[in-house]
Order: sequence, then C-alpha cells, then structure tokens
Amino acid sequence: SYELTQPPSVSVSPGQTARITCSGDALPKKYAYWYQQKSGQAPVLVIYEDFKRPSGIPERFSGSSSGTMATLTISGAQVDDEADYYCYSTDSSDNRRWMFGGGTKLTVL
Amino acid sequence: EVELVESGGGLVQPGRSLRLTCAASGFNINGYGMHWVRQAPGKGLEWVSGISWKSGSVGYADSVQGRFTISRDIAKNSLFLQMNSLRAEDTALYFCAKDAVPGPMSDSFYYMDVWGKGTTVTVSS
Repeated sequence: SYELTQPPSVSVSPGQTARITCSGDALPKKYAYWYQQKSGQAPVLVIYEDFKRPSGIPERFSGSSSGTMATLTISGAQVDDEADYYCYSTDSSDNRRWMFGGGTKLTVL
Repeated sequence: EVELVESGGGLVQPGRSLRLTCAASGFNINGYGMHWVRQAPGKGLEWVSGISWKSGSVGYADSVQGRFTISRDIAKNSLFLQMNSLRAEDTALYFCAKDAVPGPMSDSFYYMDVWGKGTTVTVSS
C-alpha cells in the first residue's frame, strides 16, 4: 500500500532553517499538504498544494516539491514552531483515498 | 465563526458499534466535503474517511473499509461516522474536519482547513 515517509525527528537551534521532507511515489503527480500539530491541539494547515501558504501562516513557512519528495522549510525557526508536522497527500486518481505521513517532531532549542 | 464539535465517543467493547456525530456551525456542510481523521494515543494522524459535498463520492482508509460508514444530514448540518465491528486498534481521538475546497468546484474531497477538537473512542473489554 502507498506510504508517505517522513523523518521521525528534526532538531534546530532558534533562528536556523528547519527542513522536513516527505517522500512518496505519487508526489510527482499529486499535491503535498503540510499540517502542524502542537501538543494537545488539533492540527493546523500550514502549506497547501505544495507551496501555497494559508492566510495567517507566517512567511517563514514555505513548501516545495520535486520528483518524489516534498519539503517543508521553516526559515528562522522559532521556539513556538516546536511541534509535530505531517505531510498529507493521495495516490488515487479519483481522490478517494488520502493519507498522512508518519509525522516529524521538530525540536527548536 | 466556523466551528466543528464532535460527540458520541466513549468506551465500547470489541465487536460492538458506535456512531460519532460532528455538528457544524458557521457554514453549511452541503457546500463542502468533510473528513474524519483519527489519532491513536501517542501516535500520528490517520485519515479515516471523506465524503464529497454531494455525497456522490466517499472514501475510506483500508484499515476501516467495510466496517465504517460516513454520512451526513444536511438538515441537521451534521456529519456522522458509523463504526461497526470495533477493534482495539480503533482506539483513538477522532477529529471531524471541513474540506478546504468549495463543493461546486468538484464532487470530491481534498484537504482539511478547519478541525474540531475531537472525541475519544476507547475499544476495550
């Protein structure tokens, strides 16, 4: 079955750039989306359709996709960005089945 | 303000059934697709099911296919998840979420932009 693969953890110091990857065989044909989930809270959409940023999301969050890999980049990461990040996409031509990656714990300290 | 409130969770024995409800306010669900997403304790997010704005398209994760049924009641502005033959591995916090793409653009479902706070389902004897 289809899988989206993320690194379990990424760690950066405040002000550094954090990059979180998501690999999937269907990503050349399908958009990637990114969600941030802080402890005890519902997820929040931070990037949609590979690189678009919803209103209210800081400009330091950006996304890109090339081949079978999508990347979420947080430029100048802040302590408040510490959270779990999940990529999300589909492999089905009729968009009837979606999945999340395993999630990446971002530590900023 | 757009809001989603889940209810119906609880403790249930393996093999039994449970029906979750998601009450929407601030928007009409007949204009958007809707989703259910779950998160087992200490684990990641798992997409469970989606339904398009016209209910003409529904989808399920392999893990729940044939056991769970998603539906909606336009008059009540509510989304449901009927869960049958429950297993211990269905234990999770279940989130309801609104699709970000307005319905008339396509009779499908895509990604979520608004989430509820979730309702907890525990399957145990």
